[in-house]
Amino acid sequence: ETGVTQSPTHLIKTRGQQVTLRCSSQSGHNTVSWYQQALGQGPQFIFQYYREEENGRGNFPPRFSGLQFPNYSSELNVNALELDDSALYLCASSWGLNEQFFGPGTRLTVL
Amino acid sequence: AQSVAQPEDQVNVAEGNPLTVKCTYSVSGNPYLFWYVQYPNRGLQFLLKYITGDNLVKGSYGFEAEFNKSQTSFHLKKPSALVSDSALYFCAVRDTGGFKTIFGAGTRLFVKA
Repeated sequence: ETGVTQSPTHLIKTRGQQVTLRCSSQSGHNTVSWYQQALGQGPQFIFQYYREEENGRGNFPPRFSGLQFPNYSSELNVNALELDDSALYLCASSWGLNEQFFGPGTRLTVL
Repeated sequence: AQSVAQPEDQVNVAEGNPLTVKCTYSVSGNPYLFWYVQYPNRGLQFLLKYITGDNLVKGSYGFEAEFNKSQTSFHLKKPSALVSDSALYFCAVRDTGGFKTIFGAGTRLFVKA
């Protein structure tokens, strides 16, 4: 059983660009969530996918979108990047409402 | 609306002394409550959870937490702190619909030798 992995580890983009972050969930988990963690803050819930459909969303604009695939992988896409999008992006998977298993995160820097 | 409050930015404790990290929550319905720990440059690790049952729950690394419904609190405790417990601790609540998980701002625990 492998843990949650994320790629890339670090990423530098310029304002207005688009970015795709990837996550491989723990096998057998049917739920994946994405979080944004700014420096010195707690993780902010972006959205959650259950069986390949978005079923929960936090206070993030539509330019934040995602996908969940049948093979437990997931993507977070952010369009029209803004400077405030600079943060650590965390992916977490779980079986239903149980505890979440987090990946190490992708640190995104927007210049 | 769901919310989680961790009133202390930092908790300082001497090694061997008991520690408490506080958390209060607000959620409609019965809460699913969690504690996670984050070490530098690493993702969050699950410590323990309360879903139903006994109000005192035991978790990893000797940590425990007490659920208090009347005070809407879920404080993290450990009888004897270790220097290696120094890290950032997050309380989280998941609504019973399971559609959203809200994290607190975090409490930095510093254990002095």
